[in-house]
Amino acid sequence: NAGVTQTPKFRILKIGQSMTLQCAQDMNHNYMYWYRQDPGMGLKLIYYSVGAGITDKGEVPNGYNVSRSTTEDFPLRLELAAPSQTSVYFCASSYSGFGEQYFGPGTRLTVT
Amino acid sequence: AQSVSQHNHHVILSEAASLELGCNYSYGGTVNLFWYVQYPGQHLQLLLKYFSGDPLVKGIKGFEAEFIKSKFSFNLRKPSVQWSDTAEYFCAVTKGGGADGLTFGKGTHLIIQP
Repeated sequence: NAGVTQTPKFRILKIGQSMTLQCAQDMNHNYMYWYRQDPGMGLKLIYYSVGAGITDKGEVPNGYNVSRSTTEDFPLRLELAAPSQTSVYFCASSYSGFGEQYFGPGTRLTVT
Repeated sequence: AQSVSQHNHHVILSEAASLELGCNYSYGGTVNLFWYVQYPGQHLQLLLKYFSGDPLVKGIKGFEAEFIKSKFSFNLRKPSVQWSDTAEYFCAVTKGGGADGLTFGKGTHLIIQP
């Protein structure tokens, strides 16, 4: 199993550009999550999904959108990139909503 | 909303020293507790978890943690650290039965000097 995979690993965006961060898992997990990690701040939840077609906002959803058309994929969309979105983004999945989460390797995004 | 506090943001120890990292959470209901580790350049990995039962849980690489409900604490311990334990350590909590993700502490950057 590949586990949780994320692409790209690194990206530099100009202010106002848009992009999609890809996340896929091959463990047949229903629950998937997007977090951002800022230095000294831990990880904060952006969006989560409890199954295909169902998504909900986390603690810091502004400036992002998600979709979940399949169990495997959970892309994160940035529509108008801002410097405040410079961060490392982690995708995670879990079998149950309150159990262990498996994390991807992360995407380091810089917005200039 | 629940929150997680990690008391030590930077810890420097020598090899073979004992380690204890503090973690407190604020949620009053049933919780599930986790410690994750992030080695340099790698993604987060689970060290150990507590759902119920024996409040002293053992994880990988000789780590253990004790859940003290009355103190809302879940401190991480290791009797003798190694240089390879240099990493960022995160305490996290989910509400029992909840599906809305992990709430993380801000992390502790641990440096082990040879």
